[in-house]
Amino acid sequence: DVKVTQSSRYLVKRTGEKVFLECVQDMDHENMFWYRQDPGLGLRLIYFSYDVKMKEKGDIPEGYSVSREKKERFSLILESASTNQTSMYLCASSFSGVGVGQYFGPGTRLTVT
Amino acid sequence: QKEVEQDPGPLSVPEGAIVSLNCTYSNSAFQYFMWYRQYSRKGPELLMYTYSSGNKEDGRFTAQVDKSSKYISLFIRDSQPSDSATYLCAMSAVAGGTSYGKLTFGQGTILTVHP
Repeated sequence: DVKVTQSSRYLVKRTGEKVFLECVQDMDHENMFWYRQDPGLGLRLIYFSYDVKMKEKGDIPEGYSVSREKKERFSLILESASTNQTSMYLCASSFSGVGVGQYFGPGTRLTVT
Repeated sequence: QKEVEQDPGPLSVPEGAIVSLNCTYSNSAFQYFMWYRQYSRKGPELLMYTYSSGNKEDGRFTAQVDKSSKYISLFIRDSQPSDSATYLCAMSAVAGGTSYGKLTFGQGTILTVHP
């Protein structure tokens, strides 16, 4: 079974704090993705990575950065958390190639107060 | 206009009903179509996957793709309370071989099956 794990299920941070969300996959997938999910807005892609040290902006990268130092690990960084970043954050991974499905982690519910 | 439109519902049906979930899309380059199921407070899980037009069946679930109408459907037969979840459609296209597995998601339909 593909396994994607995320470092925290629930996280509460204060405005202005630096926040790290970590994601690890154990299936040797090339691609990794970070999404946020909000009611009425669906899943929105923040950043993705198709190889170690490679990253591409998604649809809503502002206020976020990412790091991929190892193939199995993809980190999302909120440099200075703001209340509008309160959301469910989902990590996903997939093999390279066209049209393959993505496998998701359980999500991190982040609240910024 | 969004590339993928999905009626958010909510949809509430009695146990045993046939459920139809639908998505329309505008990008004719989409060739790969997926359905994800997401239980409350969990990540989405891949339910079914089809390529191009046609039907695919897996137990009580049937996925249909009509590329000429840019319309996809997921049918659930004999629905059960355990089917209660949010269902998301997702699609991908070939873009010069550099799609990197990116998917375009619908907003998700919330389904409740009551006993």
